Amino acid sequence: AQSVTQLGSHVSVSEGALVLLRCNYSSSVPPYLFWYVQYPNQGLQLLLKYTTGATLVKGINGFEAEFKKSETSFHLTKPSAHMSDAAEYFCAVSYAGGTSYGKLTFGQGTILTVHP
Amino acid sequence: DADVTQTPRNRITKTGKRIMLECSQTKGHDRMYWYRQDPGLGLRLIYYSFDVKDINKGEISDGYSVSRQAQAKFSLSLESAIPNQTALYFCATSDLRGREGDTQYFGPGTRLTVL
Repeated sequence: AQSVTQLGSHVSVSEGALVLLRCNYSSSVPPYLFWYVQYPNQGLQLLLKYTTGATLVKGINGFEAEFKKSETSFHLTKPSAHMSDAAEYFCAVSYAGGTSYGKLTFGQGTILTVHP
Repeated sequence: DADVTQTPRNRITKTGKRIMLECSQTKGHDRMYWYRQDPGLGLRLIYYSFDVKDINKGEISDGYSVSRQAQAKFSLSLESAIPNQTALYFCATSDLRGREGDTQYFGPGTRLTVL
């Protein structure tokens, strides 16, 4: 069975500082990996995803994530935090095949707070 | 206009009442999903439908039922609401046939409170 663990339910950074949100997954087959963002009182919006190919994936709003198969990780980073990045971030995984194709399993979420 | 819409956006109800949450999409996607979000638990899958004739239980389907009235409409029902069904509910869609792969697109959510 696939699962996702996000390390740290809350992360706080100063404006301009590096953002690092950690995600580890378990999957017995090649995974599709996603990061979604949820702003207050809104639905989830896709930030970026990894399917195949280049392991460093660039997304919207300056975020990027690197798929590391050996570490079963897909950490999300942004070099310089902005106040508008304050939100909850979700890592998710789906199988790349089989009857579970397309079904997402989400991590618990990480709330990012950005201080002036 | 939003591609995935949910109605109502907020609902307060009492224990034992029947509640229906509705989801409509204009993306032309075949696959639709219902999730609930609880603090610290992320999103958990309630039901999903790969096409109009295909309905599947997710990890937490007890106490819920669904209806896929058309490709564009997928409703979630709570036959007899209970307080621990208080949560934020999301509908999502995806299309595995095209270039988008299995990216899911989410509606704005319905906040349900059961007293």
